[in-house]
Amino acid sequence: GQQLNQSPQSMFIQEGEDVSMNCTSSSIFNTWLWYKQDPGEGPVLLIALYKAGELTSNGRLTAQFGITRKDSFLNISASIPSDVGIYFCAGLAAEDSNYQLIWGAGTKLIIKP
Amino acid sequence: ETGVTQTPRHLVMGMTNKKSLKCEQHLGHNAMYWYKQSAKKPLELMFVYNFKEQTENNSVPSRFSPECPNSSHLFLHLHTLQPEDSALYLCASSQGLRGLTDTQYFGPGTRLTVL
Repeated sequence: GQQLNQSPQSMFIQEGEDVSMNCTSSSIFNTWLWYKQDPGEGPVLLIALYKAGELTSNGRLTAQFGITRKDSFLNISASIPSDVGIYFCAGLAAEDSNYQLIWGAGTKLIIKP
Repeated sequence: ETGVTQTPRHLVMGMTNKKSLKCEQHLGHNAMYWYKQSAKKPLELMFVYNFKEQTENNSVPSRFSPECPNSSHLFLHLHTLQPEDSALYLCASSQGLRGLTDTQYFGPGTRLTVL
């Protein structure tokens, strides 16, 4: 079946650093979604991307829908302690008029004290 | 306040027990979902209900039995589970007008441990 490769699996960064993570696939997607999950909570949608090449920002977060439609990137600028959590990408693919939402395994962001 | 609540937040059960997970959404949505989340793995979609009708069952073992009495409530009945079923079970809801293209809103999850 379709799969998303999300990397890195985890990141240890200093407060104030920029963060970059990505998701790649061999399949084409129509929509890319980026979610964040805080400890003890469910995922919350951060950014949705609907067109190849689209670049969308949400505060310090910026995400891009890759031109090939097979990948997406999420960048966080000037990280702060509340950025810790697990970031998930999800891609929406259409197959035989059925949609499938495929999830990445997550990138765990840890800020070094 | 996410608008989607789940109870209990934690559950420990033996393999012979019967228990139920409850999800309630206060967003006026028409679609509800059950996901299984295991550490370092992608979310696994288990069931989808749209306007109270089950529209998706992703080859989930019969020891998991969903119930959707109305658009605001979703249950997951558990019976004779296995230790490998231990995970975080997430409920989500969406408007239900555009299927999986709708934005999903998640509850906080139930952390299930099967002994």
